[in-house]
Amino acid sequence: QSVLTQPPSVSGAPGQRVTISCSGSSSNIGTNTVNWYQQVPGTAPKLLIHSNNRRPSGVPDRFSGSKSGTSASLAISGLQSEDEADYYCASWDDRVNGPDVVFGGGTKLTVL
Amino acid sequence: EVQLVESGGALVQPGGSLRLSCVASGFTFRSYEMNWVRQAPGKGLEWISYIGTFDRTIYYVDSVEGRFTISRDDARNSLSLQMNSLRVEDTAVYYCARAQVDYDGAFDFWGQGTLVTVSS
Repeated sequence: QSVLTQPPSVSGAPGQRVTISCSGSSSNIGTNTVNWYQQVPGTAPKLLIHSNNRRPSGVPDRFSGSKSGTSASLAISGLQSEDEADYYCASWDDRVNGPDVVFGGGTKLTVL
Repeated sequence: EVQLVESGGALVQPGGSLRLSCVASGFTFRSYEMNWVRQAPGKGLEWISYIGTFDRTIYYVDSVEGRFTISRDDARNSLSLQMNSLRVEDTAVYYCARAQVDYDGAFDFWGQGTLVTVSS
Protein backbone atom coordinates (compact mmCIF):
# COMPACT_ATOMS: atom_id res chain seq x y z
CA GLN A 1 0.00 0.00 0.00
CA SER A 2 1.73 3.17 -1.19
CA VAL A 3 1.44 6.45 0.69
CA LEU A 4 0.59 8.27 -2.54
CA THR A 5 -2.29 6.86 -4.58
CA GLN A 6 -2.16 6.55 -8.35
CA PRO A 7 -4.39 4.65 -10.78
CA PRO A 8 -2.76 1.35 -11.78
CA SER A 9 -3.19 2.00 -15.47
CA VAL A 10 -4.27 4.52 -18.07
CA SER A 11 -4.39 4.29 -21.83
CA GLY A 12 -4.83 6.48 -24.85
CA ALA A 13 -4.47 6.52 -28.60
CA PRO A 14 -1.59 8.25 -30.35
CA GLY A 15 -2.14 11.99 -30.40
CA GLN A 16 -4.57 11.97 -27.49
CA ARG A 17 -4.14 13.53 -24.06
CA VAL A 18 -4.08 11.53 -20.84
CA THR A 19 -3.79 12.51 -17.22
CA ILE A 20 -2.44 10.57 -14.25
CA SER A 21 -3.59 11.52 -10.78
CA CYS A 22 -1.65 11.32 -7.54
CA SER A 23 -3.41 11.67 -4.21
CA GLY A 24 -1.64 12.28 -0.91
CA SER A 25 -2.15 14.01 2.40
CA SER A 26 -1.29 17.15 4.30
CA SER A 27 2.06 15.76 5.44
CA ASN A 28 3.35 15.09 1.93
CA ILE A 29 1.76 16.69 -1.13
CA GLY A 30 -0.08 19.23 1.02
CA THR A 31 3.22 20.58 2.33
CA ASN A 32 5.93 19.63 -0.17
CA THR A 33 6.43 19.71 -3.90
CA VAL A 34 5.66 16.81 -6.21
CA ASN A 35 7.99 15.16 -8.68
CA TRP A 36 7.16 12.76 -11.49
CA TYR A 37 9.35 9.98 -12.88
CA GLN A 38 9.06 7.93 -16.05
CA GLN A 39 10.37 4.39 -16.13
CA VAL A 40 10.56 2.27 -19.22
CA PRO A 41 10.57 -1.38 -18.03
CA GLY A 42 14.09 -2.69 -17.55
CA THR A 43 15.63 0.76 -17.28
CA ALA A 44 16.28 3.27 -14.50
CA PRO A 45 13.67 5.93 -13.69
CA LYS A 46 14.00 9.31 -15.34
CA LEU A 47 12.96 12.65 -13.83
CA LEU A 48 10.07 14.07 -15.84
CA ILE A 49 8.64 16.88 -13.71
CA HIS A 50 10.05 18.53 -10.60
CA SER A 51 8.70 21.13 -8.18
CA ASN A 52 5.09 20.36 -9.18
CA ASN A 53 5.23 21.70 -12.71
CA ARG A 54 8.79 22.28 -13.88
CA ARG A 55 10.36 20.31 -16.68
CA PRO A 56 14.09 19.50 -16.65
CA SER A 57 16.00 20.37 -19.76
CA GLY A 58 15.29 17.89 -22.54
CA VAL A 59 11.80 16.86 -21.42
CA PRO A 60 9.26 17.69 -24.14
CA ASP A 61 6.60 20.27 -23.32
CA ARG A 62 3.98 17.59 -24.03
CA PHE A 63 4.50 16.67 -20.38
CA SER A 64 3.05 18.98 -17.74
CA GLY A 65 2.39 18.78 -14.02
CA SER A 66 0.05 20.48 -11.61
CA LYS A 67 -0.76 20.40 -7.93
CA SER A 68 -3.77 21.45 -5.90
CA GLY A 69 -4.09 20.87 -2.18
CA THR A 70 -3.13 17.28 -1.44
CA SER A 71 -3.36 16.05 -5.04
CA ALA A 72 -1.25 16.34 -8.15
CA SER A 73 -1.59 15.42 -11.79
CA LEU A 74 0.64 14.62 -14.72
CA ALA A 75 -0.73 15.37 -18.17
CA ILE A 76 0.70 14.00 -21.38
CA SER A 77 -0.59 15.50 -24.61
CA GLY A 78 0.03 14.37 -28.17
CA LEU A 79 0.63 10.78 -27.02
CA GLN A 80 3.43 8.95 -28.77
CA SER A 81 4.31 5.28 -28.74
CA GLU A 82 7.55 6.00 -26.88
CA ASP A 83 5.51 7.40 -23.97
CA GLU A 84 4.48 3.86 -23.06
CA ALA A 85 6.06 3.41 -19.63
CA ASP A 86 5.39 3.40 -15.90
CA TYR A 87 4.93 6.77 -14.23
CA TYR A 88 5.52 7.51 -10.56
CA CYS A 89 4.73 10.55 -8.44
CA ALA A 90 6.85 11.32 -5.38
CA SER A 91 7.05 13.81 -2.56
CA TRP A 92 8.75 14.31 0.77
CA ASP A 93 6.60 13.34 3.72
CA ASP A 94 7.11 15.24 6.97
CA ARG A 95 6.69 12.45 9.51
CA VAL A 96 7.08 12.93 13.24
CA ASN A 97 10.02 10.50 13.29
CA GLY A 98 11.82 12.25 10.46
CA PRO A 99 11.12 12.91 6.79
CA ASP A 100 10.64 10.21 4.16
CA VAL A 101 10.41 10.31 0.43
CA VAL A 102 7.17 8.63 -0.59
CA PHE A 103 6.28 7.31 -4.03
CA GLY A 104 3.00 6.47 -5.61
CA GLY A 105 2.41 2.88 -6.63
CA GLY A 106 2.98 3.71 -10.27
CA THR A 107 0.73 4.01 -13.29
CA LYS A 108 1.26 1.96 -16.42
CA LEU A 109 0.56 3.98 -19.56
CA THR A 110 -0.46 1.99 -22.60
CA VAL A 111 -0.50 3.70 -25.98
CA LEU A 112 -3.18 1.94 -27.99
CA GLU B 1 28.43 13.68 -18.35
CA VAL B 2 26.87 12.74 -15.02
CA GLN B 3 27.23 9.04 -14.25
CA LEU B 4 26.26 6.91 -11.27
CA VAL B 5 27.45 3.30 -11.33
CA GLU B 6 26.23 0.86 -8.69
CA SER B 7 27.89 -2.42 -7.82
CA GLY B 8 27.84 -5.07 -5.13
CA GLY B 9 24.53 -6.76 -5.79
CA ALA B 10 24.51 -10.53 -5.29
CA LEU B 11 22.58 -13.55 -4.10
CA VAL B 12 22.69 -13.73 -0.30
CA GLN B 13 20.98 -15.91 2.29
CA PRO B 14 18.44 -14.52 4.75
CA GLY B 15 20.24 -13.00 7.72
CA GLY B 16 23.30 -12.25 5.64
CA SER B 17 25.03 -8.99 4.82
CA LEU B 18 25.95 -7.11 1.67
CA ARG B 19 27.57 -3.78 0.86
CA LEU B 20 26.49 -1.81 -2.17
CA SER B 21 28.57 0.93 -3.75
CA CYS B 22 27.75 3.76 -6.11
CA VAL B 23 30.58 5.61 -7.83
CA ALA B 24 29.80 9.07 -9.16
CA SER B 25 31.46 11.01 -11.95
CA GLY B 26 30.81 14.08 -14.04
CA PHE B 27 29.81 16.37 -11.17
CA THR B 28 31.05 17.67 -7.80
CA PHE B 29 29.89 14.75 -5.69
CA ARG B 30 30.51 16.40 -2.30
CA SER B 31 28.00 19.13 -3.11
CA TYR B 32 25.06 16.82 -3.68
CA GLU B 33 22.68 14.99 -1.38
CA MET B 34 22.33 11.34 -2.31
CA ASN B 35 19.73 8.63 -1.93
CA TRP B 36 19.13 4.91 -2.31
CA VAL B 37 15.87 3.75 -3.91
CA ARG B 38 14.88 0.15 -4.49
CA GLN B 39 12.41 -1.70 -6.66
CA ALA B 40 11.27 -5.22 -5.86
CA PRO B 41 10.60 -7.47 -8.88
CA GLY B 42 7.42 -6.34 -10.62
CA LYS B 43 6.76 -3.69 -7.99
CA GLY B 44 7.02 0.07 -7.65
CA LEU B 45 9.76 2.35 -6.40
CA GLU B 46 10.58 2.55 -2.70
CA TRP B 47 12.90 5.19 -1.24
CA ILE B 48 15.07 3.72 1.50
CA SER B 49 17.73 6.21 2.56
CA TYR B 50 19.11 9.74 2.23
CA ILE B 51 22.44 11.30 3.18
CA GLY B 52 23.11 15.00 3.20
CA THR B 53 26.26 16.84 2.31
CA PHE B 54 28.47 18.57 4.84
CA ASP B 55 26.26 17.93 7.87
CA ARG B 56 25.83 14.28 6.88
CA THR B 57 22.16 14.26 7.87
CA ILE B 58 20.80 10.74 7.39
CA TYR B 59 17.28 9.37 7.03
CA TYR B 60 15.94 5.84 6.55
CA VAL B 61 12.60 4.29 5.77
CA ASP B 62 11.26 2.43 8.80
CA SER B 63 11.63 -1.01 7.21
CA VAL B 64 15.44 -0.75 7.02
CA GLU B 65 16.17 1.41 10.09
CA GLY B 66 18.70 -0.37 12.29
CA ARG B 67 19.67 -2.86 9.58
CA PHE B 68 21.00 -0.67 6.77
CA THR B 69 23.65 2.05 6.99
CA ILE B 70 24.21 4.71 4.36
CA SER B 71 27.57 6.46 4.09
CA ARG B 72 29.59 8.51 1.65
CA ASP B 73 33.26 9.07 0.88
CA ASP B 74 33.58 12.39 -0.87
CA ALA B 75 37.28 11.85 -1.56
CA ARG B 76 36.41 8.76 -3.59
CA ASN B 77 33.13 10.14 -5.04
CA SER B 78 31.44 7.14 -3.56
CA LEU B 79 28.13 6.34 -1.87
CA SER B 80 27.65 3.10 0.06
CA LEU B 81 24.85 1.08 1.60
CA GLN B 82 25.77 -1.52 4.20
CA MET B 83 22.91 -3.99 4.47
CA ASN B 84 22.76 -6.37 7.45
CA SER B 85 20.18 -8.89 8.65
CA LEU B 86 18.84 -9.17 5.13
CA ARG B 87 15.34 -10.49 4.60
CA VAL B 88 13.62 -12.09 1.63
CA GLU B 89 11.58 -8.90 1.24
CA ASP B 90 14.79 -6.89 0.67
CA THR B 91 15.09 -8.56 -2.73
CA ALA B 92 15.12 -5.73 -5.25
CA VAL B 93 17.08 -3.69 -7.73
CA TYR B 94 18.84 -0.96 -5.75
CA TYR B 95 19.41 2.42 -7.38
CA CYS B 96 21.49 5.32 -6.17
CA ALA B 97 20.01 8.67 -7.08
CA ARG B 98 21.30 12.23 -6.92
CA ALA B 99 19.08 14.88 -5.34
CA GLN B 100 19.06 18.26 -7.05
CA VAL B 101 18.61 21.10 -4.57
CA ASP B 102 17.59 23.47 -7.36
CA TYR B 103 14.76 21.06 -8.10
CA ASP B 104 13.47 20.94 -4.51
CA GLY B 105 15.36 17.71 -3.94
CA ALA B 106 14.02 15.79 -6.92
CA PHE B 107 16.19 12.88 -8.06
CA ASP B 108 17.63 14.17 -11.31
CA PHE B 109 20.10 11.37 -12.05
CA TRP B 110 19.89 7.67 -11.33
CA GLY B 111 22.31 4.79 -11.67
CA GLN B 112 21.48 1.70 -13.69
CA GLY B 113 20.78 -0.32 -10.53
CA THR B 114 22.26 -3.44 -8.94
CA LEU B 115 20.23 -6.55 -8.13
CA VAL B 116 20.12 -7.93 -4.60
CA THR B 117 18.49 -11.34 -4.18
CA VAL B 118 17.87 -12.64 -0.69
CA SER B 119 17.02 -16.32 -0.80
CA SER B 120 17.99 -19.61 0.78
